[in-house]
Amino acid sequence: GQNIDQPTEMTATEGAIVQINCTYQTSGFNGLFWYQQHAGEAPTFLSYNVLDGLEEKGRFSSFLSRSKGYSYLLLKELQMKDSASYLCAVRGPLSFENQAGTALIFGKGTTLSVSS
Amino acid sequence: SQTIHQWPATLVQPVGSPLSLECTVEGTSNPNLYWYRQAAGRGLQLLFYSVGIGQISSEVPQNLSASRPQDRQFILSSKKLLLSDSGFYLCAWTTGGILAGGTGELFFGEGSRLTVL
Repeated sequence: GQNIDQPTEMTATEGAIVQINCTYQTSGFNGLFWYQQHAGEAPTFLSYNVLDGLEEKGRFSSFLSRSKGYSYLLLKELQMKDSASYLCAVRGPLSFENQAGTALIFGKGTTLSVSS
Repeated sequence: SQTIHQWPATLVQPVGSPLSLECTVEGTSNPNLYWYRQAAGRGLQLLFYSVGIGQISSEVPQNLSASRPQDRQFILSSKKLLLSDSGFYLCAWTTGGILAGGTGELFFGEGSRLTVL
């Protein structure tokens, strides 16, 4: 089976740092993705990890530990516009993808509220 | 550059009525295509995916069907809608895959919000 867990809600203030955790149990692992989704809009890609370690991209960083089935998204210098849902997704096992697809399995998302 | 469009953006349908949502991708060829649904308070659920014309796969038994009549066109349909079909439907595409060495990130369309009454 496949299971992806992340907190439902988080709050933070402008200028702060927030870490959103994600744990996963999947029958196969071929990469972990983070997406941002503003209310009523489609998700947009933030980051991708396939090897252990930290990937940094501007104010956003993402970390992966494959042995622990764990990832986090780190947001620095928070801004009001960062208020959104953050979705953790794992690339599904090859058998599900018919060996050629890249279907992503998503967690339920973490709703982040940034206040002034 | 590649773009993806889906329509309609919003629709309200009575129970038992048919449904057709359409998605097209431009600027790429032979994309992998996906339909996801996001119900209130729930995560993105994969409904269908397609790796080529006429090739549809689904892991979730449901009231919906999908078709891919052309390389860059993906259609989600239902003959008779249920209340439980309400949600935010998202079409997505990616190019290549593991075998092609890509990261496999998904690019989403704008979404179609369906309310079944």
